[in-house]
Amino acid sequence: GAGVSQSPSNKVTEKGKDVELRCDPISGHTALYWYRQSLGQGLEFLIYFQGNSAPDKSGLPSDRFSAERTGGSVSTLTIQRTQQEDSAVYLCASSLNAGNEKLFFGSGTQLSVL
Amino acid sequence: LAKTTQPISMDSYEGQEVNITCSHNNIATNDYITWYQQFPSQGPRFIIQGYKTKVTNEVASLFIPADRKSSTLSLPRVSLSDTAVYYCLINPDSNYQLIWGAGTKLIIKP
Repeated sequence: GAGVSQSPSNKVTEKGKDVELRCDPISGHTALYWYRQSLGQGLEFLIYFQGNSAPDKSGLPSDRFSAERTGGSVSTLTIQRTQQEDSAVYLCASSLNAGNEKLFFGSGTQLSVL
Repeated sequence: LAKTTQPISMDSYEGQEVNITCSHNNIATNDYITWYQQFPSQGPRFIIQGYKTKVTNEVASLFIPADRKSSTLSLPRVSLSDTAVYYCLINPDSNYQLIWGAGTKLIIKP
């Protein structure tokens, strides 16, 4: 596609349920980021993938969060046993290569945990 | 530790020029300064990047003084549609560990 695609755009779930968020980056972009943005706040780094290398998971807030990137392309962020504090917008971005500051963001997934 | 500091919010009026300054005292020698714009319900969008002096594109200008400890994003003749949050960003280690500012919420009034 022409840009970074994220799905679903909105997700409402009950506390304790698991959720999966999907990101389809721009074709050919080797770098992929997940960020979290709480209402009215800035960007919180979660995880970074570069090609098929092991990801930097240092920003994941707890072991309930995990992510994978299959074939160096599509990525899935999974949150297990969701909590109300997980409610936020989850943004995915891709860039052509590592160290490139020109990121292309998706529109995000608005996650609401009731 | 590198960081960026920018005003939390700014107001202006249609037709005015708006300048948003970001300070980055510990910027690395080879680091570029990048600015993004974010509208509600969208991800941030790249608008301009520079290393020194002045860069201009169809959207904005970026002014960087000789010491590079700050940068100023200049939006000429703003309109209501320029209401957004603006982020500055540096990349001191030239890798994926990007340093984002907290964002400046710009509100343009009629």
